[in-house]
Amino acid sequence: KQEVTQIPAALSVPEGENLVLNCSFTDSAIYNLQWFRQDPGKGLTSLLLIQSSQREQTSGRLNASLDKSSGRSTLYIAASQPGDSATYLCAVRPGTSGSRLTFGEGTQLTVNP
Amino acid sequence: NAGVTQTPKFRVLKTGQSMTLLCAQDMNHEYMYWYRQDPGMGLRLIHYSVGEGTTAKGEVPDGYNVSRLKKQNFLLGLESAAPSQTSVYFCASSPLAGGAYNEQFFGPGTRLTVL
Repeated sequence: KQEVTQIPAALSVPEGENLVLNCSFTDSAIYNLQWFRQDPGKGLTSLLLIQSSQREQTSGRLNASLDKSSGRSTLYIAASQPGDSATYLCAVRPGTSGSRLTFGEGTQLTVNP
Repeated sequence: NAGVTQTPKFRVLKTGQSMTLLCAQDMNHEYMYWYRQDPGMGLRLIHYSVGEGTTAKGEVPDGYNVSRLKKQNFLLGLESAAPSQTSVYFCASSPLAGGAYNEQFFGPGTRLTVL
């Protein structure tokens, strides 16, 4: 059974700092990995999707990397801003059982002004 | 495009009552999903559908039923609500699996409390 772990569970940083969020998964046979952002009381917003054949994806100040063989992904946020404060979730889609996602529990990020 | 919408946004039920949560998407997506989100448990898949008229069980299907009579709608039913079903419910949709771009899009959620 696929398990997804995100460390740390919570992170507090000063504004302007570059930071890395970690995601690890137990079964490397994935189809893709998706990073989401969730604001308090809101739904999930997709940030980046990395296919299993890709090593990284970039969108603005965000960069997500994928090392499938070691079962790891990182989300790099450059020059963090208070508006980046949210919970960040990663989810993996298995390679063999359709489009079902397995989610980590998320990292709650607080960027202090 | 409204994307994925969910009705209602909030609901309080008494134990044993029934209700239906409605999810609608206007992106012509084939796949639709129902998740629940609980503290310390993350998001867990309840049921999903790979197309109109089809449904399948996810990770935590007990106590729930679903129907996909129209491609754009996915209904989640609770026949006899229990306090353990207090949660935030999210609907999501995605285009056909196997494509190069098959991102899941989420609705805003329904917060359900069962007393």
